[in-house]
Amino acid sequence: DGGITQSPKYLFRKEGQNVTLSCEQNLNHDAMYWYRQDPGQGLRLIYYSQIVNDFQKGDIAEGYSVSREKKESFPLTVTSAQKNPTAFYLCASSRPGTMVPKRDTDTQYFGPGTRLTVL
Amino acid sequence: QQQVKQSPQSLIVQKGGISIINCAYENTAFDYFPWYQQFPGKGPALLIAIRPDVSEKKEGRFTISFNKSAKQFSLHIMDSQPGDSATYFCAASRRGFKTIFGAGTRLFVKA
Repeated sequence: DGGITQSPKYLFRKEGQNVTLSCEQNLNHDAMYWYRQDPGQGLRLIYYSQIVNDFQKGDIAEGYSVSREKKESFPLTVTSAQKNPTAFYLCASSRPGTMVPKRDTDTQYFGPGTRLTVL
Repeated sequence: QQQVKQSPQSLIVQKGGISIINCAYENTAFDYFPWYQQFPGKGPALLIAIRPDVSEKKEGRFTISFNKSAKQFSLHIMDSQPGDSATYFCAASRRGFKTIFGAGTRLFVKA
């Protein structure tokens, strides 16, 4: 089955620690995204990548870092510099390619999320 | 302007009723307007989407109405069911640019 997987589902972090959230997709999508969702809130973009080895800061990138060494993987590291990291983290992918029917290129497909709690 | 304004923040509807969620955008360059449905503890999933060349799109009980001149679009859920209780996000995007999401509407359908 094609899809996006995120691990772990739940993650606990002590203050001062860096943690890395995994995101893998086998949809052959070019673009990948990380969002943060706080209780009762919308989706805030942390980082996005439209192609391998390239990524851009989103609206709330401070305290986070990413890498995109492989098309199918886009891990997010929550560093100790992130002052309030407790949240639900969502990874998504989309395929803004030229060979895909236009109607399919803009849809974002989301993973199941990782809930990070700082102890 | 890149904002997408969504209302209401929360909505309670009786079973069998119509749920209506509204969104407004500012950037006329947007050309794709999806709605996502999110259940608690899960990731959002695409529900239905529309492009500005049509004024309405219907899929089962779900309909998007699009008003290009007013820069508004809305989701109508006909014959709302308790299983529709979820958070709904509208969004706007155009190819090559990031998607802008609304703040979300929490829908509760009473049995």
